[in-house]
Amino acid sequence: QKEVEQNSGPLSVPEGAIASLNCTYSDRGSQSFFWYRQYSGKSPELIMFIYSNGDKEDGRFTAQLNKASQYVSLLIRDSQPSDSATYLCAVNKRAGNMLTFGGGTRLMVKP
Amino acid sequence: DADVTQTPRNRITKTGKRIMLECSQTKGHDRMYWYRQDPGLGLRLIYYSFDVKDINKGEISDGYSVSRQAQAKFSLSLESAIPNQTALYFCATSLGLAAVYEQFFGPGTRLTVL
Repeated sequence: QKEVEQNSGPLSVPEGAIASLNCTYSDRGSQSFFWYRQYSGKSPELIMFIYSNGDKEDGRFTAQLNKASQYVSLLIRDSQPSDSATYLCAVNKRAGNMLTFGGGTRLMVKP
Repeated sequence: DADVTQTPRNRITKTGKRIMLECSQTKGHDRMYWYRQDPGLGLRLIYYSFDVKDINKGEISDGYSVSRQAQAKFSLSLESAIPNQTALYFCATSLGLAAVYEQFFGPGTRLTVL
């Protein structure tokens, strides 16, 4: 089992819809969770992070964390073609400050 | 702007050659990392350094070595390149005492080993 798992996609949604991206992790002691966006050929950039169970909203983005189920998700409301990218989930485990990344989910938003 | 830079941006080399990828940062961060990215495998950690005198192996260090020449510089070497080291390589930095543990990535180096 991979430490951080994501569906590779592509996830295709129409413009204006809600895109839901999911991530599961294996280390129950993981402390913090990050969503990075990566456009093709570019470097990853941080969109959101979440530490506590529940929802965290930032503009069109909402991160959701359920530590009991070892599950973190990213919702993108009113999806735009410019949101088309690969979204990487990253987990900060209990030991040290290292990040473990999932394989990423490719999102395609169609006009 | 404080930044993370990588050189070269693209490199094509032959099997058996020694290659060095360089990373510099002006962010004043103490921690630096090298990752490789292969399609569908996300980012995998090769080496990391929490300060100039600290070097640690990551998940996939075999075939690689690093040097932390200064707080702002972290180089990755492939002693004898092989085709399965063809990948996109990213350098990243972070601040150890930051309230939010965020890593900042350089633009990447695309390496092709023939």
